[in-house]
Amino acid sequence: GESVGLHLPTLSVQEGDNSIINCAYSNSASDYFIWYKQESGKGPQFIIDIRSNMDKRQGQRVTVLLNKTVKHLSLQIAATQPGDSAVYFCADGWTGGGNKLTFGTGTQLKVEL
Amino acid sequence: DAGVIQSPRHEVTEMGQEVTLRCKPISGHDYLFWYRQTMMRGLELLIYFNNNVPIDDSGMPEDRFSAKMPNASFSTLKIQPSEPRDSAVYFCASSPITGGATEAFFGQGTRLTVV
Repeated sequence: GESVGLHLPTLSVQEGDNSIINCAYSNSASDYFIWYKQESGKGPQFIIDIRSNMDKRQGQRVTVLLNKTVKHLSLQIAATQPGDSAVYFCADGWTGGGNKLTFGTGTQLKVEL
Repeated sequence: DAGVIQSPRHEVTEMGQEVTLRCKPISGHDYLFWYRQTMMRGLELLIYFNNNVPIDDSGMPEDRFSAKMPNASFSTLKIQPSEPRDSAVYFCASSPITGGATEAFFGQGTRLTVV
């Protein structure tokens, strides 16, 4: 029979616009959260992280927001560029879990010129 | 540091053959992870080691899969016998001890095709 693959959510944005990618996690004990970027043919690369004692953290062109009440995480990319086109994964872990991370299914970001 | 190094980058093998994937973690990292990525299931943790000792292998799909870490700078993931449904990209990642959870650094992956 025909296999059914994961349907990756896709976000299409115009170059220069801001992008917002969302993620939900399920483990209430998670106290560490990471966003990874995966380009075609490569392994996931770290973008930014945040710990549960924070609700916002900013990096270069990226901001991560954490809402522990609803177990929601978002990644904001300012002035999106063609090089930002990739699949973005959130991952969560907890200090008692031995550095073990649980990954979300990912969001495909497409930047249109 | 060159980062996490995996070999081979691509592997094509026939069903029933043994496959061995290799990983060299970043020097000084105490944790090593093996992940599998497929369209069906996304990125799954198979097994991870701390100081060369397997800590959690609950993600290993079945007895055909085994992983070893004979020393701090080398790990293998073996599939024997291989089956077409094992076709996937296998990633190795490592992370340091920081007193809490921390990011994992990924290798480039091994794309395995079992025909």
